[in-house]
Amino acid sequence: NAGVTQTPKFRILKIGQSMTLQCTQDMNHNYMYWYRQDPGMGLKLIYYSVGAGITDKGEVPNGYNVSRSTTEDFPLRLELAAPSQTSVYFCASSPRETAYEQYFGPGTRLTVT
Amino acid sequence: KQEVTQIPAALSVPEGENLVLNCSFTDSAIYNLQWFRQDPGKGLTSLLLIQSSQREQTSGRLNASLDKSSGRSTLYIAASQPGDSATYLCAVRQQTGANNLFFGTGTRLTVIP
Repeated sequence: NAGVTQTPKFRILKIGQSMTLQCTQDMNHNYMYWYRQDPGMGLKLIYYSVGAGITDKGEVPNGYNVSRSTTEDFPLRLELAAPSQTSVYFCASSPRETAYEQYFGPGTRLTVT
Repeated sequence: KQEVTQIPAALSVPEGENLVLNCSFTDSAIYNLQWFRQDPGKGLTSLLLIQSSQREQTSGRLNASLDKSSGRSTLYIAASQPGDSATYLCAVRQQTGANNLFFGTGTRLTVIP
């Protein structure tokens, strides 16, 4: 199993540009999550999904959108990039039950200038 | 709102020492608590998961304890090695809105050879 994979690893965007961060997991997990980690801070939840076709907002959803058309993929969309979105983005997944661990991808480092 | 605090923010120890990392949380109504390791520029690796009904979990040289009523968890690392150098994060999952993990800001550990 590859686990949770994310692309790209690094990206620099200009203000106002848009992009999609890709996340794929091959563990057949129903739950998937997007977090952002700002320097020296803990991770904060952006969006999550409990299964294909179902998404919900986390703590910091503004400026982002998600979709979940398949169990494996959970892309995160930035429509109008702003400097405040400079961060490291982590995708995670977990099995159906909340008692289980979350498994994280390697992250995408995004800089908006 | 759940607040998770980790003290100290940074710790340096000589190789071979035993050490304790601390995690405290403000809302004791948690479902579980998870300890992660994060290497520079990398994703998070899950170390230990403690359910709210458990008092401790052990994996190799690592032992995590949980005192839910006092809002505290500790991660004990025995016989530290330079390879243990990393940032250690704790995260709690609430009983309500159980899809969100609340993260601490981490303890950056350096083990000096």
